[in-house]
Amino acid sequence: DAKTTQPNSMESNEEEPVHLPCNHSTISGTDYIHWYRQLPSQGPEYVIHGLTSNVNNRMASLAIAEDRKSSTLILHRATLRDAAVYYCILRDYNAGNMLTFGGGTRLMVKP
Amino acid sequence: EAGVAQSPRYKIIEKRQSVAFWCNPISGHATLYWYQQILGQGPKLLIQFQNNGVVDDSQLPKDRFSAERLKGVDSTLKIQPAKLEDSAVYLCASSLTGTSGGASQYFGPGTRLTVL
Repeated sequence: DAKTTQPNSMESNEEEPVHLPCNHSTISGTDYIHWYRQLPSQGPEYVIHGLTSNVNNRMASLAIAEDRKSSTLILHRATLRDAAVYYCILRDYNAGNMLTFGGGTRLMVKP
Repeated sequence: EAGVAQSPRYKIIEKRQSVAFWCNPISGHATLYWYQQILGQGPKLLIQFQNNGVVDDSQLPKDRFSAERLKGVDSTLKIQPAKLEDSAVYLCASSLTGTSGGASQYFGPGTRLTVL
């Protein structure tokens, strides 16, 4: 799997937008970009994924650079419940559904 | 829709003892995964099942770890004998299919194992 690079940690204020960056300069044309998050003492949960176009769902938005070498997960209004570790993962759609987690970004939300 | 169920939630054992974890995936999900998450790290895949067949077990320490998925539904992961370095959270996940890079995985709450 191609590798991703994320900051170790980020801070945000409650009710402000959060932009979580992910670099994946070696991404291939068949790699999906997935985001999962892990709340304290819970298993990871799916957030969003995309291939080429920007994506929106009820949890977040995913902005994908035109060259696909980076992406940004956008939380439009951070809440205290969004404090978690966020993982950016590349999945090759020709190679099955195994997820290879890196260290992720620990997001801290201040009231 | 019920989520992925795991039991027990916590287990404390002494080294060289054996332990087993159980997972019940979301109904209808053909693919089941076991991950190991050591404190401060991201989860690491141990084994992936497609129905009751093994798709990938390349990172499973087969001298002490074993897993089975009888009848393509529930699964058990066993460690025998346990070592101190096996202390971790063991996560089970499932997905509808294991062949699409776009399919999302659903994780259970995990079993926290402490080996003394």
